[in-house]
Amino acid sequence: EIVLTQSPGTLSLSPGERATLSCRATQSISRNYLAWYQHKPGQAPRLLIYGASIRATGIPDRFSGSGSGTDFSLTISRLEPEDFAVYYCQQYVTSLYTFGQGTKLEIK
Amino acid sequence: QVQLQESGPGLVKPSQTLSLTCTVSGGSINSGSHYWSWIRQPAGKGLEWIGRISSSGSADYNPSLKSRVTISVDMSKNQFSLKLSSVTAADTAVYYCARVVAAAGMDVWGEGTTVTVSS
Repeated sequence: EIVLTQSPGTLSLSPGERATLSCRATQSISRNYLAWYQHKPGQAPRLLIYGASIRATGIPDRFSGSGSGTDFSLTISRLEPEDFAVYYCQQYVTSLYTFGQGTKLEIK
Repeated sequence: QVQLQESGPGLVKPSQTLSLTCTVSGGSINSGSHYWSWIRQPAGKGLEWIGRISSSGSADYNPSLKSRVTISVDMSKNQFSLKLSSVTAADTAVYYCARVVAAAGMDVWGEGTTVTVSS
């Protein structure tokens, strides 16, 4: 089983600032089969990034993903008020999917 | 535009079987390029993947739940279902269904349904 560890657990920033979230895997994720989701209370998770760096349909370009192997990151270039949420990474390279434990992005 | 909707009892007694259904609308569940998945989130915790099934009926499960989980698909109703047996309070969670696009993650999600395990 691939374990994903996200850091930091909580990130406190202000609107307009840049956010960088990290996701580290216990083994290499081939084909960059790594996705990022945004999750707000009372809503369904929303796919932001797949293939480590490909924005899903309708996702603003302030969201970007990068990385390969075991280290991946999600960057939000300029935070908007609606971006404060919990973010999860997820691998789908094996038939046993796993999620990271999440990073909570909160308003400072 | 594909939409997913979970349905099922909101309250299940301990030791009984939790049963949920996900209805797919706006598209066919019989797609060779998609899997159909269940995910849950206990209160105050993160997302936990439960399992997935292909339109051909081939299923994979989270090893931690495998002995208690069955996911099935009903083409005639355009639905897939989750059964979780011998539930305890630890199975209390919001349960989501989602469509998995090969090589592209879970792109469509249901709104989620809360299931409480309590006597």
